Amino acid sequence: AQKITQTQPGMFVQEKEAVTLDCTYDTSDPSYGLFWYKQPSSGEMIFLIYQGSYDQQNATEGRYSLNFQKARKSANLVISASQLGDSAMYFCAMREGGYSTLTFGKGTMLLVSP
Amino acid sequence: DGGITQSPKYLFRKEGQNVTLSCEQNLNHDAMYWYRQDPGQGLRLIYYSQIVNDFQKGDIAEGYSVSREKKESFPLTVTSAQKNPTAFYLCASSLAKSSYNSPLHFGNGTRLTVT
Repeated sequence: AQKITQTQPGMFVQEKEAVTLDCTYDTSDPSYGLFWYKQPSSGEMIFLIYQGSYDQQNATEGRYSLNFQKARKSANLVISASQLGDSAMYFCAMREGGYSTLTFGKGTMLLVSP
Repeated sequence: DGGITQSPKYLFRKEGQNVTLSCEQNLNHDAMYWYRQDPGQGLRLIYYSQIVNDFQKGDIAEGYSVSREKKESFPLTVTSAQKNPTAFYLCASSLAKSSYNSPLHFGNGTRLTVT
């Protein structure tokens, strides 16, 4: 079974609108962390936001926020006021307990139109 | 500025040849990783190392080899045994294992094409 599932291969949004990118995860470990990365067409991976399994509040970083629903095992990324520069691939990833590695989902391509 | 340097950005090789991808970091991170990215597949872990002179296989280690002789360096060799080597390869590093909330920091990647 996949540990990280991103069900939206592609998403379209107009500039200045908000968009939600979905991510569900599967783990039996009570300690885990969830990460979102952005990959522009240049290929670099840019870390956006982190949510820990014990964090009581949803993480926020500027225009990025994480809608963390622990019981549903979902960690959706919300981008407010989309900009043209937000067009990129977005990956959700998880680190479980004592492991150092991240497991990635297959990604969602976001296209922002003027 | 601290960061991760992968070289070269593009690499072309003939089938049957081994090729080594370079990865150097000056972030003083203990752990380093190699991921492979194919279209529609996301990132898959090849090898990782949490300390000098030690490394572990990831999910798709067959046909690859690594070494970790220095903390700063984690080169990846794609051997002729790797059946489908053409891909985008990403190197990453992070703080020690105990810092489970620390993100991975990535290099800019090497795009390998084998013909």
